[in-house]
Amino acid sequence: EVQLVESGGGLVQPGVSLRLSCAASGFTFSSFFMSWVRQAPGKGLEWVANIKQDGSDKYYADSVKGRFTISRDNAQNSLYLQMNSLRVDDTAVYYCARYFRSPADSLYYVDYWGQGTLVTVSS
Amino acid sequence: DIQLAQSPSFLSAFVGDRVTITCRASQGINNYLAWYQQKPGKAPKLLIYAASTLQSGVPSRFSGSGSGTEFTLTISSLQPEDFATYYCQQFKSYPLTFGQGTRLEIK
Repeated sequence: EVQLVESGGGLVQPGVSLRLSCAASGFTFSSFFMSWVRQAPGKGLEWVANIKQDGSDKYYADSVKGRFTISRDNAQNSLYLQMNSLRVDDTAVYYCARYFRSPADSLYYVDYWGQGTLVTVSS
Repeated sequence: DIQLAQSPSFLSAFVGDRVTITCRASQGINNYLAWYQQKPGKAPKLLIYAASTLQSGVPSRFSGSGSGTEFTLTISSLQPEDFATYYCQQFKSYPLTFGQGTRLEIK
């Protein structure tokens, strides 16, 4: 059974840093792109970042580029999101998700999601 | 960036009704589109990928269609458990954008 379990959320002040973690199990973690997606309270879904299987390519939303860094440790089956210079509008539930990507078959979708971890940025 | 506009934003319907949600892309995205269902306090759940392929385990009353810039999600006969918020997402190019969501409520 695929499981994605996020941790590391909490209440922080504007300007500080926070690191989210996602522990993956039930699949070959090193074979999949991974994603972070967030959802502000009462709002819609916002894609945040993607990382390639070997960590060599990373992609970011403009809203977090230069402040957030996605990374992974395939030996530990773990995904991370380092969030620096946090702002009030970064307040959201952050989801770790598995991104299935098969260009040869023109198939792209996010098929598994964690339960999310809440990050609240407030003074 | 590719924008996705869902309509309607809110939909009220009866159990047993047939409903259709539309997702329009600001430029062509082939069939690189997925649909998700989200219930309050829960993570999204994949329903449809490649615009029209039903994810394993999803009831057949859900269907998707479209290509290019216009896509639809149809629920053929609403069940009580279908009342939720629905999102589309495009995978044509980064950033991987979502539609704003369609909230489906019981009438």
